[in-house]
Amino acid sequence: GAVVSQHPSWVICKSGTSVKIECRSLDFQATTMFWYRQFPKQSLMLMATSNEGSKATYEQGVEKDKFLINHASLTLSTLTVTSAHPEDSSFYICSAGDSSNQPQHFGDGTRLSIL
Amino acid sequence: DAKTTQPTSMDCAEGRAANLPCNHSTISGNEYVYWYRQIHSQGPQYIIHGLKNNETNEMASLIITEDRKSSTLILPHATLRDTAVYYCIVRVVVRGSTLGRLYFGRGTQLTVWP
Repeated sequence: GAVVSQHPSWVICKSGTSVKIECRSLDFQATTMFWYRQFPKQSLMLMATSNEGSKATYEQGVEKDKFLINHASLTLSTLTVTSAHPEDSSFYICSAGDSSNQPQHFGDGTRLSIL
Repeated sequence: DAKTTQPTSMDCAEGRAANLPCNHSTISGNEYVYWYRQIHSQGPQYIIHGLKNNETNEMASLIITEDRKSSTLILPHATLRDTAVYYCIVRVVVRGSTLGRLYFGRGTQLTVWP
């Protein structure tokens, strides 16, 4: 089946640094990728929709200058959390889909901890 | 906002069928019902989806009522590894895009006990 890979799976860094998370579709071309955030004991919250070669569309309340998304190829999207602070600590998950009506597939997530 | 309602939690004995209900009374005619599950600290796993006909695959069966206002996910022989949060999602179709966003609700925590 379709595989989506995220890297890194977990990261710990100091407050004020920027962190980049990669999301790759391994066996299909992902025209659209989605980024989610999940806090403990809560559901997934959609942050943004990323289409290859165009600007990402952010959900209401998500700061686009804080969470930079790049989707430069059909197999790779990146999320950069800029100037991260402890409140940005969360579980970040990506999903990817092709242009068909087939279901999206999710990566295994990245656990981000900001000290 | 999620357009579905699910019970917060359910229990099931190992080897028995697990029937997880979902209400989606405001579903539109061109919206699909998707089911995903999330095992602790992992990304969601796709299970099944349907529009109006019942569907079955190697993981589960999906029963959608005739009026499409509710559905039931059936795991025919639950195992301990099926313990997870199960999400029922109505897929929003974005104008101009062939790929709709998925908005997650709180889901149902299914616990399978020995």
